[in-house]
Amino acid sequence: QVQLQESGPGLVKPSETLSLTCTVSTASISSHIYNLNWIRQTPGKGLEWLGYVYYSGSALDNPSLKGRVTMSFDTSKSQFSLKLSSVTTADTGVYYCARGQNLAFDYWGQGILVTVS
Amino acid sequence: EIVLTQSPGTLSLSPGERATLSCRASQSVINNFLAWYQQKPGQAPRLLIYGASSRATGIPDRFSGSGSGTDFILTISRLEPEDFAVYYCQHYGTSPNYYTFGQGTKLEIK
Repeated sequence: QVQLQESGPGLVKPSETLSLTCTVSTASISSHIYNLNWIRQTPGKGLEWLGYVYYSGSALDNPSLKGRVTMSFDTSKSQFSLKLSSVTTADTGVYYCARGQNLAFDYWGQGILVTVS
Repeated sequence: EIVLTQSPGTLSLSPGERATLSCRASQSVINNFLAWYQQKPGQAPRLLIYGASSRATGIPDRFSGSGSGTDFILTISRLEPEDFAVYYCQHYGTSPNYYTFGQGTKLEIK
């Protein structure tokens, strides 16, 4: 069973960097057919894909975020991380990590609410 | 950038009825890279359909997806009480490479 769990601060100040971690339960994530994604849900934009990272470290982020996203994978801890810089109140929302396969998201974490204030 | 437009915004039906939800893309979706999700309050989205018509693991066969090009449909053949939720479509595009979601259709009990 694949399980993902987000963790991190629930409150971030404007202009600071939001940092979240996703812990993945399964070793199968090391397969090249999966990637790990960050997706958020905000009142303003609904569901928005932020980016993905592969076990190898290869990553891609949403160009609309203009380079504010940094993602990485700590293989020793089966954790991958998200950093979103220069946050504003528009970045307030629920942040999810999700496994990607077949260009869709088949397993999701429960989500973590992050408030920028 | 492909924009996904879902209709209707809200659909009011009764258990046992058939639901038809639409997702229209502003440009043709390559290789039918189109997925559907169900989201209930306080929960993460759940994958229902990928590749426009393939059911995800554990999804009942009353859920089916169809379509190609710019027009895609999610059909729920006979609504169960647990099917009332918000449904989203999602696609993967190239140039630039990234994923986008529709704005959602709320399926509510009539």
